[in-house]
Amino acid sequence: KAGVTQTPRYLIKTRGQQVTLSCSPISGHRSVSWYQQTPGQGLQFLFEYFSETQRNKGNFPGRFSGRQFSNSRSEMNVSTLELGDSALYLCASSPSANPSYGYTFGSGTRLTVV
Amino acid sequence: GQQVMQIPQYQHVQEGEDFTTYCNSSTTLSNIQWYKQRPGGHPVFLIQLVKSGEVKKQKRLTFQFGEAKKNSSLHITATQTTDVGTYFCAGIYNQGGKLIFGQGTELSVKP
Repeated sequence: KAGVTQTPRYLIKTRGQQVTLSCSPISGHRSVSWYQQTPGQGLQFLFEYFSETQRNKGNFPGRFSGRQFSNSRSEMNVSTLELGDSALYLCASSPSANPSYGYTFGSGTRLTVV
Repeated sequence: GQQVMQIPQYQHVQEGEDFTTYCNSSTTLSNIQWYKQRPGGHPVFLIQLVKSGEVKKQKRLTFQFGEAKKNSSLHITATQTTDVGTYFCAGIYNQGGKLIFGQGTELSVKP
């Protein structure tokens, strides 16, 4: 079965712009989590959605937002981009709201802010 | 607070040598999971430990969960070049809580 699909794979944006990233979880998975990965900070938790509801949120500014649709697909948006937002953004899906099932990650979207 | 510390940050070994990475939390974990990320890839789920003192093996990989459920380790016996990558532990502090990742240990193996 298809894995977690993230689009686009690569993105270059200018400071001040906004960006929307998309994640399609594994079919049947209803939980989607987003992480920001940078060399210095590792994997930082952004937010988690289950059945269109945000269940958990990390310590990121309000410029970072997300949502989940009824088909479990999720999007995250970053407004007013800063150079420090350059990172690999990873989406992970899980069958349920309980992370004990383990996460399946997508290949990520590599965002470069110039 | 909910933070998982992982050491070492880097480990360089000769092929055939053993490797160990350690995770530590100041507060009790509910579960701990381990992931591997190959260079240029994404994290891949390896295993989950739930019980105090639990030990699980996957071929040359041995995973342990401490008695107090505050620490964990991953040990690789006789490393191979295919073991190259970054190994992450990730803790869950309560059922339904978010997964908090350690900083990862980057393993390089010299043939």
